[in-house]
Amino acid sequence: DQQVKQNSPSLSVQEGRISILNCDYTNSMFDYFLWYKKYPAEGPTFLISISSIKDKNEDGRFTVFLNKSAKHLSLHIVPSQPGDSAVYFCAASVGGDKIIFGKGTRLHILP
Amino acid sequence: KAGVTQTPRYLIKTRGQQVTLSCSPISGHRSVSWYQQTPGQGLQFLFEYFSETQRNKGNFPGRFSGRQFSNSRSEMNVSTLELGDSALYLCASSFTVGQGTDTQYFGPGTRLTVL
Repeated sequence: DQQVKQNSPSLSVQEGRISILNCDYTNSMFDYFLWYKKYPAEGPTFLISISSIKDKNEDGRFTVFLNKSAKHLSLHIVPSQPGDSAVYFCAASVGGDKIIFGKGTRLHILP
Repeated sequence: KAGVTQTPRYLIKTRGQQVTLSCSPISGHRSVSWYQQTPGQGLQFLFEYFSETQRNKGNFPGRFSGRQFSNSRSEMNVSTLELGDSALYLCASSFTVGQGTDTQYFGPGTRLTVL
């Protein structure tokens, strides 16, 4: 039972355009959501998070949107840069315990 | 400040053997979590330790075990290895418990191949 779903295994975006990565979840008890970025041969790196009391959180080029009624969150990267090519994991937790990760979306930034 | 280190980085074992992986957290971090990453399942939570006590455990068989030492270093052990245990094993550390709200820092992982 996949509680956190990233339905797009890969995504290609032109450099300079907006990248939108999507994530759906099934557990309505999730109250904290995170995005991680992973380069090959490295561990995931924390990118941005959002609490369920908010619907948007911004950090530089990265913005996460949360739609609780749809159980959907998205990560927007504007503008996309070559260094953004990586695998992005969406994750969620209940009360800060036991993070559940999605399977990841591989983002390719095209020159 | 040194990051999370994991040893060994690569390991090849045969079915039925056992293996021990090691993780040294960032200095001052007391929480260590372990994850298994496979292409088909993504990142799956194994267990979390804090102050030498297991706080949380994922849905893995009892062949997977771990422990944490007084210096916060952690080991995980897999006994009676199966082919399906081939994966990247990631360790993450954080300052406090409640891994979902405190930033976790991941190590580079140990790539285990079971033949």
